[in-house]
Amino acid sequence: SQTIHQWPATLVQPVGSPLSLECTVEGTSNPNLYWYRQAAGRGLQLLFYSVGIGQISSEVPQNLSASRPQDRQFILSSKKLLLSDSGFYLCAWRQATNEKLFFGSGTQLSVL
Amino acid sequence: DQQVKQNSPSLSVQEGRISILNCDYTNSMFDYFLWYKKYPAEGPTFLISISSIKDKNEDGRFTVFLNKSAKHLSLHIVPSQPGDSAVYFCAASLYSTSGTYKYIFGTGTRLKVLA
Repeated sequence: SQTIHQWPATLVQPVGSPLSLECTVEGTSNPNLYWYRQAAGRGLQLLFYSVGIGQISSEVPQNLSASRPQDRQFILSSKKLLLSDSGFYLCAWRQATNEKLFFGSGTQLSVL
Repeated sequence: DQQVKQNSPSLSVQEGRISILNCDYTNSMFDYFLWYKKYPAEGPTFLISISSIKDKNEDGRFTVFLNKSAKHLSLHIVPSQPGDSAVYFCAASLYSTSGTYKYIFGTGTRLKVLA
């Protein structure tokens, strides 16, 4: 069966520090991968999505970037965190033949 | 531009009664509509989906209705149970020029089922 791993579960970072969140999917190949963010009391905002290695689509211009160095690995990065980057970050995946989107357990990021 | 809207931030229902969660959308190009359940500090869990070519889909206690002319969908939970208490998100999928679907989510409705 397919599983998605996301880490770390919680992260506290100072303003101006770098960020790297990693997500990996097991049990499938060529998944479509997604990064979402949920700010406090808000809905889920689509940040990036990818159909394959090195292919990244950005939804919202901001202080973040994404990379897909391997088929089942998706990384969210920032060179310098802002206070507004705080939130709950979620990785998700889907098979190209299925409309269902499956989420990881999320990373709670607090920028102080 | 909020293409998917959930206008009710919260809903309280008595155990055993019906819960109805609503969602409105603006883009007629959406292909699928999905409902997710989310607990605090956890990832959303898929509940049920419906294709844009259908008007109803049922799975156990959960039924989703789609009214394309009104650009409106609803999730019915019957009977409601205390374990259903969570935040429910409506989502819609849209094919993008990148060669895959992107999913637009509403802001969520917090359901509380009272015992």
